[in-house]
Amino acid sequence: GQNIDQPTEMTATEGAIVQINCTYQTSGFNGLFWYQQHAGEAPTFLSYNVLDGLEEKGRFSSFLSRSKGYSYLLLKELQMKDSASYLCAVNYGGSQGNLIFGKGTKLSVKP
Amino acid sequence: EPEVTQTPSHQVTQMGQEVILRCVPISNHLYFYWYRQILGQKVEFLVSFYNNEISEKSEIFDDQFSVERPDGSNFTLKIRSTKLEDSAMYFCASRGRGGDTEAFFGQGTRLTVV
Repeated sequence: GQNIDQPTEMTATEGAIVQINCTYQTSGFNGLFWYQQHAGEAPTFLSYNVLDGLEEKGRFSSFLSRSKGYSYLLLKELQMKDSASYLCAVNYGGSQGNLIFGKGTKLSVKP
Repeated sequence: EPEVTQTPSHQVTQMGQEVILRCVPISNHLYFYWYRQILGQKVEFLVSFYNNEISEKSEIFDDQFSVERPDGSNFTLKIRSTKLEDSAMYFCASRGRGGDTEAFFGQGTRLTVV
């Protein structure tokens, strides 16, 4: 079966750093995506990892270890607008790009 | 910036009625998807569509569901006889090429079945 686990909720302080973990067991693997989703809105793309290692994009970084089935999203210099759900999604479907999503981690940023 | 557009943004329908959710993917994209998200739950894959045919569908996508790309721009999801449990946010997504590119999501259609 397909399984993606992430913490349900996290709380952090404005200006701080937070790491959101994701572990996965899927029938196939062709890359891992992180999406941000504000309440009632569509997911928006943050990052993509297909090879092991760290990808950095401004205040956001994402790490992947394929051997461990593990990824994390690192958010630096947190801002209030970063309060949202963060969705880990695995492309298990090869070139078709079908995504299976985790349940999402709801991040609350406090002043 | 190109975007995926969905209509309507909200749809209320009576149980047993047919609904059609409409999507206009980004114009040069080749892969199209429908996902749904029941309130408070995770985003779930429904169906993928490529080269004018379904490439994969999930267990959720039973005989009550169908998809069409009737012309060069629209991509529709039809639910023939809605059930209460079909109430959810339905997202359309499109992708330019293979699985190493991100999927762009529309703003969703909130379907409420009463």
